Amino acid sequence: EVQLVESGGGLVRPGGSLRLSCAASGFTFRNAWMSWVRQAPGKGLEWVGRIKIKTDGGTADYAAPVKGRFTISRDDSKNMLYLQMNSLKTEDTAVYYCTGVPVGIVYWGQGTLVIVSS
Amino acid sequence: DIQMTQSPSTLSASVGDRVTITCRASQSISTWLAWYQQKPGKAPKLLIYKASSLENGVPSRFSGSGSGTEFTLTISSLQPDDFATYYCQQYNSYFGGGTKVEIK
Repeated sequence: EVQLVESGGGLVRPGGSLRLSCAASGFTFRNAWMSWVRQAPGKGLEWVGRIKIKTDGGTADYAAPVKGRFTISRDDSKNMLYLQMNSLKTEDTAVYYCTGVPVGIVYWGQGTLVIVSS
Repeated sequence: DIQMTQSPSTLSASVGDRVTITCRASQSISTWLAWYQQKPGKAPKLLIYKASSLENGVPSRFSGSGSGTEFTLTISSLQPDDFATYYCQQYNSYFGGGTKVEIK
């Protein structure tokens, strides 16, 4: 059974940092492009960024609102995906989901809540 | 960046109606498109992957079609459980703005 389990969410002050983790199981993680998606309260789904598999270069791309502040990384030896979030703003408050595409189907985790507030 | 435009943003329909939602990509994405259903407080649920493949366990009244830049999600006969918000997404990239299906 495929599982994606996010962790690391919580309350952080504006300007602070937080690292989210996503533990993957049930599929060949090193073969999956992985993404982070977020949803602010009462808003639609927003793509945050993605990281390619190593054979496609292993590079990450980001949506404009987070570029330069967020960094996506992966550890294929541990089947883990990360989202390092720096210089957090109140508008980054959202549920953050990790998603993965190993063989054409998109899998989602259940999400972790990040609240940026003073 | 490839942008996704979804229409309509809101749709009022009755049980038994045939419903169609459209998603357009700003450039060709082949069939790398997914459709999701989301209900309040829940994670999105995958309905359709690769533009037209029905996810396991999803009722056959849901169908997807299209390739390149034009895609559609069709619900052949709307059921009470289908009132929700629907999103399209280019794989590992941007989402459409969502379509809220409301009771007429």
